[in-house]
Order: sequence, then structure tokens, then C-alpha cells
Amino acid sequence: LAKTTQPISMDSYEGQEVNITCSHNNIATNDYITWYQQFPSQGPRFIIQGYKTKVTNEVASLFIPADRKSSTLSLPRVSLSDTAVYYCLSPWMDSSYKLIFGSGTRLLVRP
Amino acid sequence: SAVISQKPSRDICQRGTSLTIQCQVDSQVTMMFWYRQQPGQSLTLIATANQGSEATYESGFVIDKFPISRPNLTFSTLTVSNMSPEDSSIYLCSVDVGTEAFFGQGTRLTVV
Repeated sequence: LAKTTQPISMDSYEGQEVNITCSHNNIATNDYITWYQQFPSQGPRFIIQGYKTKVTNEVASLFIPADRKSSTLSLPRVSLSDTAVYYCLSPWMDSSYKLIFGSGTRLLVRP
Repeated sequence: SAVISQKPSRDICQRGTSLTIQCQVDSQVTMMFWYRQQPGQSLTLIATANQGSEATYESGFVIDKFPISRPNLTFSTLTVSNMSPEDSSIYLCSVDVGTEAFFGQGTRLTVV
């Protein structure tokens, strides 16, 4: 079961690009990498998922190098409303279909 | 996608009492998951609820403390029994649709 490691917290300013890196050294061949976002007083919300190279959607980009031992969530031009906790999950579920959450990265966007 | 409704959204309870949290999904799902999120912490899985069978509990959680019902494919309840202040947390239910998980808004429980 892959264990993820990510920074506990990050600070940024409005309009900047934020990159949050997650380490998953023991990722298995079939594992995907998935990122969730959680605002205060809400449940986590799916952001993006990928297997290799680069995935982009309307919210973020996910960069995964060839060895897949890490991934980087990129948030372009953050705003105050991007202040949240970001969780990297790999695998997104284990063999029993359970999500395994790590500690997450608490992102604070300042004006 | 899936829309999940949790009730109540919050409650303040006396120690020694029990609270039942309801989770309603707008579509039929095989498995429903219950999580606990203590203040400032990540999510911890309590149990997995399958319709027609007993829930499967994670290490550190027992059925006597957190009984779960799953009467049909769109509904589940989690009861927090004989509560103590240490049970003060947010409790969330979740379902998987394809490769994406959907969560309820959570139930914020305060035990006094």
C-alpha cells in the first residue's frame, strides 16, 4: 500500500502559481494518483487524477514524472478561495475500495 | 456523480447519550463509507457499509461504539454510542462513483 508524503502547509499570495508535491515512493503499477480539496466545514472534493505525464482540467494540472514516485499538483493563479487542505492519495483506494487519506497540505492564500 | 445529504449537520450532545447520523445518496451504490475527522486532522475511515451484510470496521473502531445500518442501496446510518468528549469530531459519509469519491457535508458533533 503506497504511503504518501506531502508538506504540512504552504503559504502563497493571490495570483501566484502554487505547486504542491507529493511523494509516493512505493506506488504500484496499477495505482493512480488522485488529489482532493477540502474547505473548512465541507467534505473533500475531487480535483484531479492521473497515471503518468500530465493531466489538466479546469481547476488544476497534475504532473507525474516517468518513475511515478512523486506527483505535483499545480494551481494556476490562486485566489483567496483556494485556501483549503489538499490531499494526495495513492492509491486512490486500496484493494478493499477504501480511500486512504494522508495528512494533507494546508494551503493559505494571502491577499 | 452523486449527491449526498447528511443529517444532522451539527449537534451538541450530553456525554453518555447516543446520536444517529443519517446519510442519503441520490443514486444506488454498493458501498458507503463512514469517516471521522477530528479537529485539525485528516480523515480516518471508521467502517465500510455494504447493503445486506454487516459493516466492516477498521482497526480501533468497534460495532458496539459505532453501530451502522445499511437498509438499502441509497441510505445508511452511523450511531455514535455512549458518547464522551473524545467523540467530538466531524463525521462524514462517502460513496464511490467510478474513480471518484463523493462526500457529504459532514456532521459536526460536540459532546459536552
